[in-house]
Amino acid sequence: QVQLQESGPGLVKPSQALSLTCSVSGDSMSSGDHYWSWIRQPPGKGLEWIGYISYSGSAHYNPSLKSRVTISVDTSKNQFSLELYSVTAADTAVYYCARAILSNYFDPWGQGTLVTVSS
Amino acid sequence: DIQMTQSPSSVSASVGDRVTITCRASQGISSWLAWYQQKPGKAPKLLISAASSLQSGVPSRFSGSGSGTDFTLTISSLQPEDSASYYCQQAESSPRTFGQGTKVEIK
Repeated sequence: QVQLQESGPGLVKPSQALSLTCSVSGDSMSSGDHYWSWIRQPPGKGLEWIGYISYSGSAHYNPSLKSRVTISVDTSKNQFSLELYSVTAADTAVYYCARAILSNYFDPWGQGTLVTVSS
Repeated sequence: DIQMTQSPSSVSASVGDRVTITCRASQGISSWLAWYQQKPGKAPKLLISAASSLQSGVPSRFSGSGSGTDFTLTISSLQPEDSASYYCQQAESSPRTFGQGTKVEIK
């Protein structure tokens, strides 16, 4: 059974970078044709796809965030990471990692981690 | 970007009622649509993929239909544990986009 777990700071200062890591267990990221995704949800609001990456490092980003986002993968650790630069209060959200089945549908999801941008 | 619009934004129904949620895409997406259930404080859970394919372990009272631009999620007999928000998501093109959500409450 595949499980994903986000980790990283819960508080980031404005203009700094947000960095999160997703650890995958129960499945090798190098197997299959899945993509590994980041999705966020501001408090009380809907879901926004940030981007995803294949095990080989091919990344695709939401154009609305593309200039500020980097997603990377470390298959030796079965982890992938998110960096979001120059954050503002608008980036405050619960950040989820998820497996994108054949890059299409998200299953399963990590439990999510709240990141607050505040000085 | 493909815009996904759900209706209604919220619905209140009694146990045993039939509940239908609609999702409309701003352009045709064939059957590239998923439905997710999200309970408060929890991550979304994939219920249905490819518009109508029920995921393993999901109760059969949930069903999905539609293609092109108009889709529906139906709960045939609402149960107390179905109280949640429901989101549609298109997988036809990038960026992947979600509907704004529908909150289902039990009367």
